[in-house]
Amino acid sequence: GAGVSQSPRYKVAKRGQDVALRCDPISGHVSLFWYQQALGQGPEFLTYFQNEAQLDKSGLPSDRFFAERPEGSVSTLKIQRTQQEDSAVYLCASSLRDRGPYGYTFGSGTRLTVV
Amino acid sequence: GQQVMQIPQYQHVQEGEDFTTYCNSSTTLSNIQWYKQRPGGHPVFLIQLVKSGEVKKQKRLTFQFGEAKKNSSLHITATQTTDVGTYFCAGPRGGSQGNLIFGKGTKLSVKP
Repeated sequence: GAGVSQSPRYKVAKRGQDVALRCDPISGHVSLFWYQQALGQGPEFLTYFQNEAQLDKSGLPSDRFFAERPEGSVSTLKIQRTQQEDSAVYLCASSLRDRGPYGYTFGSGTRLTVV
Repeated sequence: GQQVMQIPQYQHVQEGEDFTTYCNSSTTLSNIQWYKQRPGGHPVFLIQLVKSGEVKKQKRLTFQFGEAKKNSSLHITATQTTDVGTYFCAGPRGGSQGNLIFGKGTKLSVKP
């Protein structure tokens, strides 16, 4: 597609529920990134992929967070046993490469609210 | 740990006035990127600066990268209502280009 597509756009989860957030990057973009953005803050790094390889997952807050990109295209961020502090906007971005003058193209995000 | 700080946090200007936001890193950066996020929107890439002392212009926007590659600025000449939004700078965390550390942003409001 023309841009990075994320679904769902909004998700309300009961505390303890598992959620899965989907990201469909721009076709041909090698690098894919997940960021978490709390209200009034800058995006915080979670993890990134180059094709299907997860090169850095140092930003994942706990082992309840898991991300995959099995075929080097679509990615899923899974959060198990959601907690209230997980409430945030989850942004996915893709880039042609992770080096060079290629900025990130962000999707519209998934706003997760844990109640 | 590595930090990227931006000032001011908020800026309110009259339409037609100039605006500048400053970005300071605790460590030397290989490059710096700037993004704009409109209210309710997502960050949109504006530019990447790589060279020490680099200056780049995009219409009314002027971006600078400091000589020491630890600071940067974004200057908007004659602001318009379409400039409203939050401006973020971001740089690689450590040696990992895929892991960007973002500043908290400068929120610009423009009074017509």
